[in-house]
Amino acid sequence: DSGVTQTPKHLITATGQRVTLRCSPRSGDLSVYWYQQSLDQGLQFLIQYYNGEERAKGNILERFSAQQFPDLHSELNLSSLELGDSALYFCASSVAPGAGAYEQYFGPGTRLTVT
Amino acid sequence: GDSVTQMEGPVTLSEEAFLTINCTYTATGYPSLFWYVQYPGEGLQLLLKATKADDKGSNKGFEATYRKETTSFHLEKGSVQVSDSAVYFCALEAYSGGGADGLTFGKGTHLIIQP
Repeated sequence: DSGVTQTPKHLITATGQRVTLRCSPRSGDLSVYWYQQSLDQGLQFLIQYYNGEERAKGNILERFSAQQFPDLHSELNLSSLELGDSALYFCASSVAPGAGAYEQYFGPGTRLTVT
Repeated sequence: GDSVTQMEGPVTLSEEAFLTINCTYTATGYPSLFWYVQYPGEGLQLLLKATKADDKGSNKGFEATYRKETTSFHLEKGSVQVSDSAVYFCALEAYSGGGADGLTFGKGTHLIIQP
């Protein structure tokens, strides 16, 4: 158990809908990352937050948005869903951003199926 | 942009065989390099890392050396066990002007160890 929790575990929804994925980082970690794992694209970095502020952006679509709240939990919002958004979404947390010095701990993921 | 290339497999070996999984990267500057492992139904776990050229990361009998001249970070283990069966991801963490970005992953190598 990494200490990172993600809810829900599974989500099935229809095209055009909007969903929210939730992540609670490990106790003491200030940085949260979101990743998408799909068969087509592999594992891709979406976005990073540090202490409530957006820190870095990866291949995140404009239909997707995220935020980190004062209690440090984070939510990833996916809207106007398409079939291609079906994937496993991982959250990771670390004490602080990068420099190779701080390990990213991954949650178990949320499996999203868009029908 | 930054990228990581690794053999995708599946790679099937007998127990106690020698393992090599090749990984090469393209990045500007001096990224940190990582190997992550994903067991079925779980999130990713950090296996080992190296943050500068010629560093060797090691853990649980696995080793990898950061080779800047060949832009490689090959994973090796002298004698694999059935419990090593998993998907292995090579990754890098690059740095932009604002600091470290998220991880860039290879496609993953599915390793199957037969008794």
